[in-house]
Amino acid sequence: SQQGEEDPQALSIQEGENATMNCSYKTSINNLQWYRQNSGRGLVHLILIRSNEREKHSGRLRVTLDTSKKSSSLLITASRAADTASYFCATSGNQFYFGTGTSLTVIP
Amino acid sequence: GAVVSQHPSRVICKSGTSVKIECRSLDFQATTMFWYRQFPKKSLMLMATSNEGSKATYEQGVEKDKFLINHASLTLSTLTVTSAHPEDSSFYICSAVGLSSTDTQYFGPGTRLTVL
Repeated sequence: SQQGEEDPQALSIQEGENATMNCSYKTSINNLQWYRQNSGRGLVHLILIRSNEREKHSGRLRVTLDTSKKSSSLLITASRAADTASYFCATSGNQFYFGTGTSLTVIP
Repeated sequence: GAVVSQHPSRVICKSGTSVKIECRSLDFQATTMFWYRQFPKKSLMLMATSNEGSKATYEQGVEKDKFLINHASLTLSTLTVTSAHPEDSSFYICSAVGLSSTDTQYFGPGTRLTVL
């Protein structure tokens, strides 16, 4: 299957710290989305960033996109225990990619 | 934003029976739908690409006779797991893409299949 790559695969931080996850993809895109998935649950759409955008904010989330490096990052500021989940990126364009995911654990 | 639904959200069946999962785009027409399978604590694995009015394209290693896909309309695709076995137990997720080839991929909430 075609997938993007995310790193780190797993991340464990203390509550209040910031969490940064990265996503790399392979071809040109029209947009990139970040999703969250709690254990055993469905995907929840977090944020979409278009190829002509470099940065986007939504609450405690900050997403950057570097199309020259074919990469994106998701920053969660002031993390909370409830942010514990897996985070995936997905891209849309000539081809569709779904990332391998980062498992985030926020320790209270 | 665009909404994709799946039905049922959860199904438990006996080994040997067939199970049908529906994927619907609720407020847009989808020429292409994707079916994914997710194993516990793993990422999504693309199973097949479903195009309206034509046969699905299956990824390598996915049995097309086992996982029957029908994309009969621009808002509905179905995945039928035939003669299900316990190893077919998994989380199945669909996604849909709108009429424009540059449209975003919208994901459904998933269906949890448990085969006893």
